Amino acid sequence: EAGVAQSPRYKIIEKRQSVAFWCNPISGHATLYWYQQILGQGPKLLIQFQNNGVVDDSQLPKDRFSAERLKGVDSTLKIQPAKLEDSAVYLCASSLKTGTGNEQFFGPGTRLTVL
Amino acid sequence: GQNIDQPTEMTATEGAIVQINCTYQTSGFNGLFWYQQHAGEAPTFLSYNVLDGLEEKGRFSSFLSRSKGYSYLLLKELQMKDSASYLCAVRGPNDYKLSFGAGTTVTVRA
Repeated sequence: EAGVAQSPRYKIIEKRQSVAFWCNPISGHATLYWYQQILGQGPKLLIQFQNNGVVDDSQLPKDRFSAERLKGVDSTLKIQPAKLEDSAVYLCASSLKTGTGNEQFFGPGTRLTVL
Repeated sequence: GQNIDQPTEMTATEGAIVQINCTYQTSGFNGLFWYQQHAGEAPTFLSYNVLDGLEEKGRFSSFLSRSKGYSYLLLKELQMKDSASYLCAVRGPNDYKLSFGAGTTVTVRA
């Protein structure tokens, strides 16, 4: 079974530039998550999708971050414009559905460096 | 909200046992997860507890006490490949969102 795919693996940009990350979840997984993991911290949920609908985006900085999952499969996360404090690893995860015991499977992440 | 605490670092010798504690204060509770994360890699699922007690899975065991807001992950017969960060994560009651602790970095020495 293929895992969660993410690209690019690494990205370096200057502040105020824009960047986009792509995620392809495990086939058949209805729920998709984007996390931000700053060095030395645990992952923080940015947004959660159930199929193509948003379940939770309470911690997404909506003035600069956006995400979509138009067809309920792949997803993109965009930052525009980037700030220095956005330097982090952006992890995508998926699970069969939202609910007790449904473990989340994580992708390898995109390491973003904002200069 | 969720407040999750775990030690920052632990060091142990190959073949030994290490216990990683996690305490949480949450507005609700619907399960606790442990994940392993090697440097530069994605977190991988280790265990899930929703009822009090011990769950054993090979060399790894996880314990939960809901009344005390406490869990631990026990790693037995440590191997060098167990050197990693171990993340404790709590699921809330109504939104199924996972809140992660900062992680405990375990270093296994020969």
